[in-house]
Amino acid sequence: GQQLNQSPQSMFIQEGEDVSMNCTSSSIFNTWLWYKQDPGEGPVLLIALYKAGELTSNGRLTAQFGITRKDSFLNISASIPSDVGIYFCAGQLGIASKIIFGSGTRLSIRP
Amino acid sequence: DAGVTQSPTHLIKTRGQQVTLRCSPKSGHDTVSWYQQALGQGPQFIFQYYEEEERQRGNFPDRFSGHQFPNYSSELNVNALLLGDSALYLCASSRRDRGLLQPQHFGDGTRLSIL
Repeated sequence: GQQLNQSPQSMFIQEGEDVSMNCTSSSIFNTWLWYKQDPGEGPVLLIALYKAGELTSNGRLTAQFGITRKDSFLNISASIPSDVGIYFCAGQLGIASKIIFGSGTRLSIRP
Repeated sequence: DAGVTQSPTHLIKTRGQQVTLRCSPKSGHDTVSWYQQALGQGPQFIFQYYEEEERQRGNFPDRFSGHQFPNYSSELNVNALLLGDSALYLCASSRRDRGLLQPQHFGDGTRLSIL
């Protein structure tokens, strides 16, 4: 079945640094999504991407939908303590199809 | 405006028992999806309900079943519980807009522990 490879698995960075994480798939997706999950809570949608090549920002977050439709990346600029959490990429085939999630990137920040 | 609400928040069961989890979608949403999230992993799709019918299903056995009510709320039922069913069960709701499914919003989940 379809699988998403998300990397890195974990990151431990200094406050103020920029962060980059990415996701690759062996299959094409028509929608890429990035979620953040805090302990004890459900995933919260950060950015949704609908077109190959699309670059979308949400505050300090920027994500891109790869041209091949098999990859996506998320960048966080000038990280702050509240950025700590687990970030999931997710792909969706069709307009009403199921969402396939990556295994997550755990972000930890040194103050 | 309440988001997706799930109940209960925590539940402890023993092997072989049956469990029912509940989900109320975000106001204005008509589609409900259920996911299982094991510790340290991403959510895995179980099934999706729209217009009171199961529309899509992931790779889960028939022990997992569901229902959607006319008010769009939904239940997830799991029979003959196994130790491996211990997980966080997430409900996500969305709405169909001119045939397009809008991004899903997640509840905070039900933590199910099987002893």
